[in-house]
Amino acid sequence: DAKTTQPNSMESNEEEPVHLPCNHSTISGTDYIHWYRQLPSQGPEYVIHGLTSNVNNRMASLAIAEDRKSSTLILHRATLRDAAVYYCMGLKTGANNLFFGTGTRLTVIP
Amino acid sequence: EPEVTQTPSHQVTQMGQEVILRCVPISNHLYFYWYRQILGQKVEFLVSFYNNEISEKSEIFDDQFSVERPDGSNFTLKIRSTKLEDSAMYFCASSVGTSADEQFFGPGTRLTVL
Repeated sequence: DAKTTQPNSMESNEEEPVHLPCNHSTISGTDYIHWYRQLPSQGPEYVIHGLTSNVNNRMASLAIAEDRKSSTLILHRATLRDAAVYYCMGLKTGANNLFFGTGTRLTVIP
Repeated sequence: EPEVTQTPSHQVTQMGQEVILRCVPISNHLYFYWYRQILGQKVEFLVSFYNNEISEKSEIFDDQFSVERPDGSNFTLKIRSTKLEDSAMYFCASSVGTSADEQFFGPGTRLTVL
């Protein structure tokens, strides 16, 4: 699976957009890019995933660089409930074991 | 909305005892997983299960661990002889398919080994 690099922590003001970056320079052409988050004292929660094209869902948007070596998770309006650790992972086609790194701890300031 | 459930929420056991952690995956899902998270550390993959057999396991998943789907709804993780270092949160997850599908996680079971 692709090695990913994320900043250890980020802060955002409530109701502002947040852009969480991830570098995955070793990703192969068939690896999916998955984002999960873990709220305090809870299990991981799926956020979004994509392969080549940008993706949108009710939680967030995923912008994937053209060379696929990086991606950005976009929370359009951060709420206090979005305070969590966000994990970016590469997942080979047909694979199903998620390898969580240390992620980015997002703090949302009221 | 369907969800993964786990029981118990907290299990306390003595070192050397056997424990069974239980999970009910989402009903139409075909892939099942166990992960663990030692306090303050990252989430670690243990094992994946598909079509009534283990499809992948990590180095952590040694002979002390086993998984089973005893009926059409439950998915269990057994630790035969617990060690102090097995103390962790254990998360069950399930998914419809593999890399193109999301995994749904349960709330976890906190295992404390004394």
